[in-house]
Amino acid sequence: AQSVTQLGSHVSVSEGALVLLRCNYSSSVPPYLFWYVQYPNQGLQLLLKYTSAATLVKGINGFEAEFKKSETSFHLTKPSAHMSDAAEYFCAVSPFQGAQKLVFGQGTRLTINP
Amino acid sequence: DTGVSQNPRHKITKRGQNVTFRCDPISEHNRLYWYRQTLGQGPEFLTYFQNEAQLEKSRLLSDRFSAERPKGSFSTLEIQRTEQGDSAMYLCASSLASGVTGELFFGEGSRLTVL
Repeated sequence: AQSVTQLGSHVSVSEGALVLLRCNYSSSVPPYLFWYVQYPNQGLQLLLKYTSAATLVKGINGFEAEFKKSETSFHLTKPSAHMSDAAEYFCAVSPFQGAQKLVFGQGTRLTINP
Repeated sequence: DTGVSQNPRHKITKRGQNVTFRCDPISEHNRLYWYRQTLGQGPEFLTYFQNEAQLEKSRLLSDRFSAERPKGSFSTLEIQRTEQGDSAMYLCASSLASGVTGELFFGEGSRLTVL
């Protein structure tokens, strides 16, 4: 069965600092991996996705993530945090293309300090 | 494109009552999903439809839960004889069958509080 674990339910960084949100996955087959973001009082929206092409994936708002099979990781990074990045971030896995069920991690709440 | 719309946004009910949530997906999307999110957790898959056909249901969906999408457009999620453990945010999402795997468009959710 597929699963994801997000290390750290809360992450706090200063504005302009590096953002690193950790995600490890468990999958018996090569997975498709996703990061979703949920801003306050809004629905979840797709930030970026890994679908077995390039291992370094770029998303919206300057975020990127690197798929590392040897570490079963898909960590999300942004070089310089902005106040508008404050939100909840969810890592998710789908076992294969066409699978309709996403399995989400428990989420990481990112706080940006001025 | 008005996005995925969910109603009501908030529902407070007493234990034992029935509740119904409605989801209007993005108009051209033929796939529709229901997820449940409890405090401090990520969304958990409940069920999904392709057009009017319900193709998968999670074990989380007890016999008190039923979902329909009668004409392949909007969907309803009904919970009968609500229990306090049903308190959660119920999320609806939609996508195109021909779209990118895993690219779901979520609504803002319907929050249920069972007293």
